Amino acid sequence: AQSVTQLGSHVSVSEGALVLLRCNYSSSVPPYLFWYVQYPNQGLQLLLKYTSAATLVKGINGFEAEFKKSETSFHLTKPSAHMSDAAEYFCAVSELTNFGNEKLTFGTGTRLTIIP
Amino acid sequence: DTAVSQTPKYLVTQMGNDKSIKCEQNLGHDTMYWYKQDSKKFLKIMFSYNNKELIINETVPNRFSPKSPDKAHLNLHINSLELGDSAVYFCASSQGQGNANFETQYFGPGTRLLVL
Repeated sequence: AQSVTQLGSHVSVSEGALVLLRCNYSSSVPPYLFWYVQYPNQGLQLLLKYTSAATLVKGINGFEAEFKKSETSFHLTKPSAHMSDAAEYFCAVSELTNFGNEKLTFGTGTRLTIIP
Repeated sequence: DTAVSQTPKYLVTQMGNDKSIKCEQNLGHDTMYWYKQDSKKFLKIMFSYNNKELIINETVPNRFSPKSPDKAHLNLHINSLELGDSAVYFCASSQGQGNANFETQYFGPGTRLLVL
């Protein structure tokens, strides 16, 4: 089974500083990787996804992530944090079940706090 | 213009009761999902349906019974509620057949279930 590990359950950055949220994956086949964001009391919203087209993926709200096969990583970055970025961020990998159906497996999430 | 909606938003009930959560999507998607998010924010898939047919069942207790009257609706009925069922339940939907297209999943706002 495939899995993702998010290092750091809590990350705090100052407003205007670089945001770096880490995600490492474990997969025996080329993975499809996703970053989702969850704002307080809301559902998950897709930030970006990697589907093997380009290793640097740009998403919404100024976020981007780079797929590095050699490091089995898919870290999420944003050059300058904004107060509205405060949320929970989830990395996920899509895999196939034994019956050929796809499912998302999520990491444990990273809570991002922005310091004014 | 809500894409994926769930009712109710909050549900407080006693142990042993039976309750249902409803989900509707107006995106024209063929595949729908139920996820459970526990108190530690860990998100795990429970079920997936494609065109009203069950395609993923992740070893969920049989007290949980999903029902899909049509491809726009996926309801979750829970019998004999237990304390451990307290969680946030998210519905999601995606295009395609749920079989290796790795389409983006769109999430509802969640239903917060508290079992006393």
